Amino acid sequence: QVQLVQSGAEVKKPGASVKVSCKASGYTFTSYYMHWVRQAPGQGLEWMGIINPSGGSTSYAQKFQGRVTMTRDTSTSTVYMELSSLRSEDTAVYYCARSESWELSGWGQGTLVTVSS
Amino acid sequence: SYELTQPPSVSVSPGQTARITCSGDALPKQYAYWYQQKPGQAPVLVIYKDSERPSGIPERFSGSSSGTTVTLTISGVQAEDEADYYCQSADSSGTYGVFGGGTKLTVL
Repeated sequence: QVQLVQSGAEVKKPGASVKVSCKASGYTFTSYYMHWVRQAPGQGLEWMGIINPSGGSTSYAQKFQGRVTMTRDTSTSTVYMELSSLRSEDTAVYYCARSESWELSGWGQGTLVTVSS
Repeated sequence: SYELTQPPSVSVSPGQTARITCSGDALPKQYAYWYQQKPGQAPVLVIYKDSERPSGIPERFSGSSSGTTVTLTISGVQAEDEADYYCQSADSSGTYGVFGGGTKLTVL
């Protein structure tokens, strides 16, 4: 069955970077796009960007351009999301989710990133 | 930047029909998707491509589209349907994704 397993919770100081991983299994890794979505405490879902695991091309939401980098490792079927220059407003649960087009049909369990001094 | 607009809350009694709307200028050009999220859980896709229902999703969930507005309809609402619902789509170029602000469905 399709599984997306994310790395564990992180606590970071303001100004630092965080790198979250998402390991895929149960399907052909390069046949589906991977999105990153975040959700701040008590808030709604926010789309951050998308990576094509086949060629590595990316598209980032304008809000995060310059601060986010999405990469993939096809040898381990893993995608990564790195967010830099962290601030308290980046405290959120970060999800990876796969899609054939824009439908997010499978989600990771979420990774809580806490930014605090 | 492109935005999708949803009502913050909708309330219905059990057995009634709930309708949640989502408005956006690019919706005539881009499909809409709907997600259900319960507290402490990841979202679940309940409608894709405006009106298609994934396998395993109850038939009481349906979607429709008219111009710049899409609608999620839940017929015969059950207590277990109480959750947050989010619409999602892409901008007119199909480059950037976007979520609506979410609608809290309360089953009275």
